[in-house]
Amino acid sequence: NAGVMQNPRHLVRRRGQEARLRCSPMKGHSHVYWYRQLPEEGLKFMVYLQKENIIDESGMPKERFSAEFPKEGPSILRIQQVVRGDSAAYFCASSPGTGGARSYGYTFGSGTRLTVV
Amino acid sequence: GIQVEQSPPDLILQEGANSTLRCNFSDSVNNLQWFHQNPWGQLINLFYIPSGTKQNGRLSATTVATERYSLLYISSSQTTDSGVYFCAVGEAGGTSYGKLTFGQGTILTVHP
Repeated sequence: NAGVMQNPRHLVRRRGQEARLRCSPMKGHSHVYWYRQLPEEGLKFMVYLQKENIIDESGMPKERFSAEFPKEGPSILRIQQVVRGDSAAYFCASSPGTGGARSYGYTFGSGTRLTVV
Repeated sequence: GIQVEQSPPDLILQEGANSTLRCNFSDSVNNLQWFHQNPWGQLINLFYIPSGTKQNGRLSATTVATERYSLLYISSSQTTDSGVYFCAVGEAGGTSYGKLTFGQGTILTVHP
């Protein structure tokens, strides 16, 4: 029973390039969350998705960042025209959950360390 | 938004010692989780505990929701317990029940 799978583990991009981060949730989990951890800081919520739906994107920067969780395949966090300030660890988590129910415990992936040079 | 404060910010222990980590939050919650981030950066879920008490081996946690705090107890600490411990909460009545707000963490170092 594989856990939450994130890839790549490390990603280096030059300023202005695009970064694509992938997350496959645990089997049976239908909720995906993305968090960002800047150096020396805690984790900050970015976006909460269910299959084909963005439930809450209140933590996403207004520009250059987007996320999707298609019917088939992993969730993707996309950062266009990366800048040095985007360098961080990006974590994906998943949980089971039923409509209207309280949240359950998260399972986190190992993260993607993005370095912008 | 909800505020989460963890204390102490840093903690240094000798192997075998016990410790208590505290998490205070500013508003009602419907979700509270404790995580351990190991020195390799991996985040491990320790407890889902919006209220009550749970135990798992040498770790236990108690949340008193009415008083807006949670405690994580580590007994007979081991060097492998080193890392950062995060408390994360979901605000009751929030529009997104899946969204967690993390505290700044407690950095635990256990010396042999």
